[in-house]
Amino acid sequence: EVQLLESGGGLVQPGGSLRLSCAASGFTFSSYAMNWVRQAPGKGLEWVSSISDNGDYTYYGDSVKGRFTFSRDNSKNTLYLQMNSLRAEDTAVYYCAKHCSSTSCYGYDIWGQGTMVTVSS
Amino acid sequence: EVVLTQSPGTLSLSPGERATLSCRASQSVSSSYLAWYQQKPGQAPRLLIFGASSRATGIPDRFTGSGSGTDFTLTISRLEPEDFAVYYCQRFSSSSWTFGQGTKVEIK
Repeated sequence: EVQLLESGGGLVQPGGSLRLSCAASGFTFSSYAMNWVRQAPGKGLEWVSSISDNGDYTYYGDSVKGRFTFSRDNSKNTLYLQMNSLRAEDTAVYYCAKHCSSTSCYGYDIWGQGTMVTVSS
Repeated sequence: EVVLTQSPGTLSLSPGERATLSCRASQSVSSSYLAWYQQKPGQAPRLLIFGASSRATGIPDRFTGSGSGTDFTLTISRLEPEDFAVYYCQRFSSSSWTFGQGTKVEIK
């Protein structure tokens, strides 16, 4: 079964750090670009970051650029999102998502269940 | 930066009715890079449509995507009870992604 499982969320104080992980299974992890998307409580979806299949290229949304770092370990089928200098507005459910399989497809076909990050004092 | 504006914000319909959701881009978007998602409460989003009009694996044919340039549409031909949810459009451009703000389809 194709699956993504996030972990690492929790409560952190403003200015603090947190590292999210996303464990992948059921597909050839190293063949796909991967992504993080977040959703603040009661709000819509916001793209956070993307990483190429080999990890050489990373891209970030303006709201997290310079504070978040996206990496991957293809030997462990795992993604990491290092979040520093956290702000209240970073409070959200964070989803990891797989770039879709078809060569003509731009979209995310597999999503994790999400992990909640709360930034509050 | 391309902004995606979805309308209406909320659509109140009955099962069996047709739903028409709009996604308008502030600049022309390649159809190849336009996708639609469905999200139900407490669940992750699910890919419905990619390339503006191609259904993702396992998506029923009552879901149809269309459009080009700056105007895109998701049509649900006959609403089933499980279709009441929030729908998002998404576009890819220059190594970044943008989501629309969503349209909620609720039971009338």
